[in-house]
Amino acid sequence: QAVLTQPSSLSASPGASASLTCTLRSGINVGTYMIYWSQQKPGSPPQYLLRYKSDSDKQQGSGVPSRFSGSKDASANAGILLISGLRSEDEADYYCMIWHNSAWVFGGGTKLTVL
Amino acid sequence: QLQLQESGPGLVKPSETLSLTCTVSGGSISTTSYYWGWIRQPPGKGLEWIGSIYYSGRTFYNPSLASRVSISVDTSKNQISLRLNSVTAADTAVYYCARQDYDTTSELYYFDYWGQGTLVTVSS
Repeated sequence: QAVLTQPSSLSASPGASASLTCTLRSGINVGTYMIYWSQQKPGSPPQYLLRYKSDSDKQQGSGVPSRFSGSKDASANAGILLISGLRSEDEADYYCMIWHNSAWVFGGGTKLTVL
Repeated sequence: QLQLQESGPGLVKPSETLSLTCTVSGGSISTTSYYWGWIRQPPGKGLEWIGSIYYSGRTFYNPSLASRVSISVDTSKNQISLRLNSVTAADTAVYYCARQDYDTTSELYYFDYWGQGTLVTVSS
């Protein structure tokens, strides 16, 4: 079982909100991890969005709109990237990442389609 | 403005060594605030961390690649380098270098700025 699991795809309408999940493997407690989120558009490198551990321990990337926010669902053992007021330019791949067992681990990515 | 530029051969033969260089401009690689990392992405797939280096030469490697990987730094040229030996087709990927900034709360160096990447194909 992978350390981080992300849905491979998600679709949402312009103006709506999208909740992208990053589920940690059983036995790895999401509460103890800082989760980092990046956005990657086709043909471009990933761009750092934000990091989230708790409401008191989080940081927005420079220039990243407040429409992007992080949270956690402890019951699901998952980190969440919430994108509100979806725009066509939000269509991209989104990756979560944690530092686990002395290694950076990426989720498999979620392809967000805005239509 | 910070720029990271990856360079190196776009085609490598199986069993040979992949060698790439990342040249940093618009900032010093010798800054104590940063690590510098390599990440790769096979075509149409997700991201995989390869390893990271501090300007002093201290390195961290992905355990899954550690036996084949070497990352070095040349502060005089403001460059970091990647060597991956005994390559196979599974090593075909876009290779990115990235800056890692220090997160004071988690005490981790996270990837905040990426180069454009370079495609390396392993094929005879």
